[in-house]
Amino acid sequence: GQNIDQPTEMTATEGAIVQINCTYQTSGFNGLFWYQQHAGEAPTFLSYNVLDGLEEKGRFSSFLSRSKGYSYLLLKELQMKDSASYLCAVRASRGDDKIIFGKGTRLHILP
Amino acid sequence: GAVVSQHPSRVICKSGTSVKIECRSLDFQATTMFWYRQFPKQSLMLMATSNEGSKATYEQGVEKDKFLINHASLTLSTLTVTSAHPEDSSFYICSAWSQGAGYEQYFGPGTRLTVT
Repeated sequence: GQNIDQPTEMTATEGAIVQINCTYQTSGFNGLFWYQQHAGEAPTFLSYNVLDGLEEKGRFSSFLSRSKGYSYLLLKELQMKDSASYLCAVRASRGDDKIIFGKGTRLHILP
Repeated sequence: GAVVSQHPSRVICKSGTSVKIECRSLDFQATTMFWYRQFPKQSLMLMATSNEGSKATYEQGVEKDKFLINHASLTLSTLTVTSAHPEDSSFYICSAWSQGAGYEQYFGPGTRLTVT
């Protein structure tokens, strides 16, 4: 089966750094995604990793270790608008375009 | 970037009636679209893969006779919730890969369904 785990909730302070972890166990692997979702809205794409290592994009970075089935999303210089849910998702098969989402991490930013 | 639209954005219907939700790719063609359902404070759950010109592929536990999917063209997929019940009240989101856009899947804005 497919299993994607991430913490349910996290709290951090404005201006700080937070790391959201994701572990996965899937039948195959063809890429890992991070999405941001504000309440009542559709997810928006943040990052994609298919090879091991760190991908940096502005205040957001994403890391992948395929051998460990592990990824993290790093958010720097937190802003109040970063309060949202962060969804880790895996594309399990090259021949299958569907992606499976984890349960999401609700991030609360305190002033 | 690529745009996916959904209509309606919100719908309220009575128990026992059917509701159709449309998902359109506005500036690209999508041979495959996906339908997700999201309950409050939960993550997206994949319901089915919609394939242009062929039958949809449903995830385990999703009733294909209740959630009818039609992908009649390269830019339109529809989800019809038949004989709706209050437990079908949820946020329904569609998505599609844009050919040539790399590895980004584009999501529609979602449809909030409330069954009374």
